[in-house]
Amino acid sequence: QKEVEQDPGPLSVPEGAIVSLNCTYSNSAFQYFMWYRQYSRKGPELLMYTYSSGNKEDGRFTAQVDKSSKYISLFIRDSQPSDSATYLCAMKGWDNAGNMLTFGGGTRLMVKP
Amino acid sequence: NAGVTQTPKFQVLKTGQSMTLQCAQDMNHNSMYWYRQDPGMGLRLIYYSASEGTTDKGEVPNGYNVSRLNKREFSLRLESAAPSQTSVYFCASTELAGSSYEQYFGPGTRLTVT
Repeated sequence: QKEVEQDPGPLSVPEGAIVSLNCTYSNSAFQYFMWYRQYSRKGPELLMYTYSSGNKEDGRFTAQVDKSSKYISLFIRDSQPSDSATYLCAMKGWDNAGNMLTFGGGTRLMVKP
Repeated sequence: NAGVTQTPKFQVLKTGQSMTLQCAQDMNHNSMYWYRQDPGMGLRLIYYSASEGTTDKGEVPNGYNVSRLNKREFSLRLESAAPSQTSVYFCASTELAGSSYEQYFGPGTRLTVT
């Protein structure tokens, strides 16, 4: 079993829909939780990060962490065609001298006009 | 700033050939990483360099070697390429190992081994 599981999709939604992307994990040592966005044939870019449990909002994006359930989510409100990309969750523990991240497999999102 | 640059962008190798993937960053970052990305597998860490002069194995190091040439440059070498190494390779860097969370990625190298 992978340390971080993510539904690969593809997830296809109409423009304006609310999108929910999720990851589950097994390592209780993870403390930092990140979402990266990767456009086709590009490198990933950091979208949001959260430390420990709770919510964080940035414009149309909300990241949510539930450490008790080992479950994180990314919500996209009023989705736009420009949000079409692969979304990767990533995590790391507190004591991580190499700053190594553990990534999920990515969910491909398509927002149709 | 160019950020993280990688060369080449594309490469086709025959089984058994060798090649070196180059990576450079101009952000004065201490830590650098090499990942491979395969469909449905996400990003898997091959090797990393927490600081200049150090390198360590990641999750999938077999068949690869690395060199941290200086603070800016981190190369990945395939000594004898195999079809299983067909993948997209990404280099990344981060400011300070341990406390930072954001890794900056290059545009990737698409490698096909026939």
